[in-house]
This record gives sequence, structure tokens and C-alpha cells, in this order.
Amino acid sequence: GQNIDQPTEMTATEGAIVQINCTYQTSGFNGLFWYQQHAGEAPTFLSYNVLDGLEEKGRFSSFLSRSKGYSYLLLKELQMKDSASYLCAVRVYSSASKIIFGSGTRLSIRP
Amino acid sequence: DVKVTQSSRYLVKRTGEKVFLECVQDMDHENMFWYRQDPGLGLRLIYFSYDVKMKEKGDIPEGYSVSREKKERFSLILESASTNQTSMYLCASNSGSYEQYFGPGTRLTVT
Repeated sequence: GQNIDQPTEMTATEGAIVQINCTYQTSGFNGLFWYQQHAGEAPTFLSYNVLDGLEEKGRFSSFLSRSKGYSYLLLKELQMKDSASYLCAVRVYSSASKIIFGSGTRLSIRP
Repeated sequence: DVKVTQSSRYLVKRTGEKVFLECVQDMDHENMFWYRQDPGLGLRLIYFSYDVKMKEKGDIPEGYSVSREKKERFSLILESASTNQTSMYLCASNSGSYEQYFGPGTRLTVT
């Protein structure tokens, strides 16, 4: 079966750094995405990892270890607008390529 | 800019009614997806399509069907709506291995 786990909720302070972890157990792994979703809005793309290592994009970085089935999203210099849910998603390939999501991590930023 | 549109933002239907949710994308993407999103459960894949007239079941296809007669349009059909299908429905599209683009969502209430 396919399983993606991430913490349900996290809290962090404005200006700080936070790391959101995601572990997965899937067959046919073919890449991992992170999305941001503000309340009442659609998810928007943040990052994509298909090879092991760190991908940096401004204040956001994402890391992947395929052998460990593990990824994290690192958010630096937190801003109040970063309060949102962060969704880890894995692309799996069998007869066709589908993308399955974890249940998301709700991040709250306090002043 | 990629645009994914959904036919309704809010919909209220009665138990037993046949419900159509429409999704249109304007970027010539071959892949289209239907998810439902419920608190604590994240996004769950209902069906996806990788080409016109081609479809694959996702993780929770029961009670749903889909239609893809044209590349830009992917319809989700609830043959006989039930109260446990009350949810937020999100459509997404992508091309190849790239990120998904999501529509604004349809909040369906079945009474």
C-alpha cells in the first residue's frame, strides 16, 4: 500500500526556522512534491525532489532521501503569511503516473 | 499563466441526486485529477486521467465516475449523491513529470 506521514500541526515564531518532516512508504516512487495551502484556497506548488539531496529556493528548501523514504521542508525567516498547511505529495508510477498526498501539516506562526 | 477552472465554488444537492462537477484547464495538459479534501484526511485521489477517454481509479473511486471526452475537460460524476460525499472537491492538471495546478475547489454539500 501507499502511506505518507507528516505531523498534523506545528507552531513556530516569526523570524525563526521550522522543519516539516514527511515520511513515505510507496511502491513505484517517482518524485516528491511540497505544496502550500492557505485556508480556503487551492494548494500551490513549492518544490519538487526526484533525486537525493537539498533543493533551495529562496526562503524554502526541500530535502529528499529515497533510501530512507524521508523528506523535509525547511522554512527560514518565517513570516506571518507562512501560516498555512504544507502538503507532502508523492508521485508513484504503475500503469500511469498518479500523485498522492499526505494529510498535511498545519503551521501556525506566532509574533 | 496556467488556469484551472471549476464549474461551481459552492453546490448544495439532495441525497440521491446525480451531480456533475466540471473542470477545465487551458494549458493542453494531458493529465487531470480529481481529489476530495476532508479535515484530518488531506487530499484523497478519486480518479485521474492521462489522456482523452483514458481514466484510472485513485484511492477512493467508490460512488464516483469520470468522463474525459476532450483534453481540456474532466468531469466528476456522483451517480447518486449521499451525505458522506459532502466535501471539498479539487481538480488538478499537469503535464509529464511537472507540478500540478489546482482549481479553486467546489464545496459540495449533500443534504
